[in-house]
Amino acid sequence: SQTIHQWPATLVQPVGSPLSLECTVEGTSNPNLYWYRQAAGRGLQLLFYSVGIGQISSEVPQNLSASRPQDRQFILSSKKLLLSDSGFYLCAWSVSAVYEQYFGPGTRLTVT
Amino acid sequence: SQQGEEDPQALSIQEGENATMNCSYKTSINNLQWYRQNSGRGLVHLILIRSNEREKHSGRLRVTLDTSKKSSSLLITASRAADTASYFCATPGDSGYSTLTFGKGTMLLVSP
Repeated sequence: SQTIHQWPATLVQPVGSPLSLECTVEGTSNPNLYWYRQAAGRGLQLLFYSVGIGQISSEVPQNLSASRPQDRQFILSSKKLLLSDSGFYLCAWSVSAVYEQYFGPGTRLTVT
Repeated sequence: SQQGEEDPQALSIQEGENATMNCSYKTSINNLQWYRQNSGRGLVHLILIRSNEREKHSGRLRVTLDTSKKSSSLLITASRAADTASYFCATPGDSGYSTLTFGKGTMLLVSP
């Protein structure tokens, strides 16, 4: 069966510090991978998606970047965090041409 | 963008009652999905309905789709306290590659 992991679960970082969130998927090959951010009481905003190693598409201009160094690993990064980067970050995967997405447990990021 | 908007924003009912949530979207779609999110957790896929389907059932869930009105509804019958969660509809995103656009969700509270 397929599983998706995210870490850390929670993170408190000062403004201006770097960020690295990691997502890994097990039990499937060549998944589509997605990073979302969810602000308090709001819906999900798609940040990045990837259809293969090294292939990253950005949905919105922002202070964040993403990388996919391995088939089932997706990393969200920032060189300098802003207060507005606080939120709940969710990673998800899907099988190509299938619309259902499967989500990880999320990372709660607080920038202070 | 094809963003779904859920209605109501919040719904409070007693155990055993039925809960109905609605979703409206803007442009033609080939499918629509519903997801559930427990507080502080990732989203869980509930059901996908295709544009050529009018109604779909899964256990206590019943989803309808009216493409002429660009709307969908999610009915949870005989609600339980464990159904307390936020419910989101999702439509295919503009970017393809199985991307999704989520609404802001309906927060359902089921009291014992």
